[in-house]
Amino acid sequence: EVQLVESGGGLVQPGRSLRLSCAASGFSFDSYAMHWVRQTPGKGLEWVSGIGWNSGSIGYADSVKGRFTISRDNAKNSLYLQMNSLRGEDTALYYCAKDRYPNWGSALDMWGQGTTVTVSS
Amino acid sequence: QSALTQPPSASGSPGQSVTISCTGTSSDVGGYNYVSWYQQHPGKAPKLMIYEVGKRPSGVPDRFSGSKSGNTASLTVSGLQAEDEADYYCNSYAGSNTGVFGGGTKLTVL
Repeated sequence: EVQLVESGGGLVQPGRSLRLSCAASGFSFDSYAMHWVRQTPGKGLEWVSGIGWNSGSIGYADSVKGRFTISRDNAKNSLYLQMNSLRGEDTALYYCAKDRYPNWGSALDMWGQGTTVTVSS
Repeated sequence: QSALTQPPSASGSPGQSVTISCTGTSSDVGGYNYVSWYQQHPGKAPKLMIYEVGKRPSGVPDRFSGSKSGNTASLTVSGLQAEDEADYYCNSYAGSNTGVFGGGTKLTVL
């Protein structure tokens, strides 16, 4: 089955860290760029970070640059997001999404169901 | 990386056409043909409806079409159906390996 399954979300205190994972199956994971997108309850989508097929191209939203790190392990068909120095405004549902292209096409044609991150003391 | 500008709401009666705009700058929408549109029903993950300004993934009805003029992209839904009622988001490549979404438009089928 073609799918993306996120995990690693939870309740975390401000300033602490969390690592999200996304397990891919049913397609050639190592042939496509991957992205993290988040959505605050009742609000819109925010692109967070993206990584090319071979990790050669990586980008971050200004809101997370310097605090979040995206990575991938093509041998494990997995995408990761290391989130450090978490803030209340990072509270959101985090989606893992597949791009149609190996690098940047900004065409996210497959999405997981998301994992919820809540930053609160 | 300022969010692209979309109208908060749009509406139309069944069978009618509705167009949703997405305004950016020459650094994103106007600078690249990497504009995409997503449909999101409540409680569901977004679904890709249009990519590269006007291309449709397989399985998306041809009632959905996209275009771009300058710094503004548009999504047109023709022959509105009840199931088209959803939130719609535009997205654009913004250079330097970054992307940006619009604020979203709630489409109501009257």
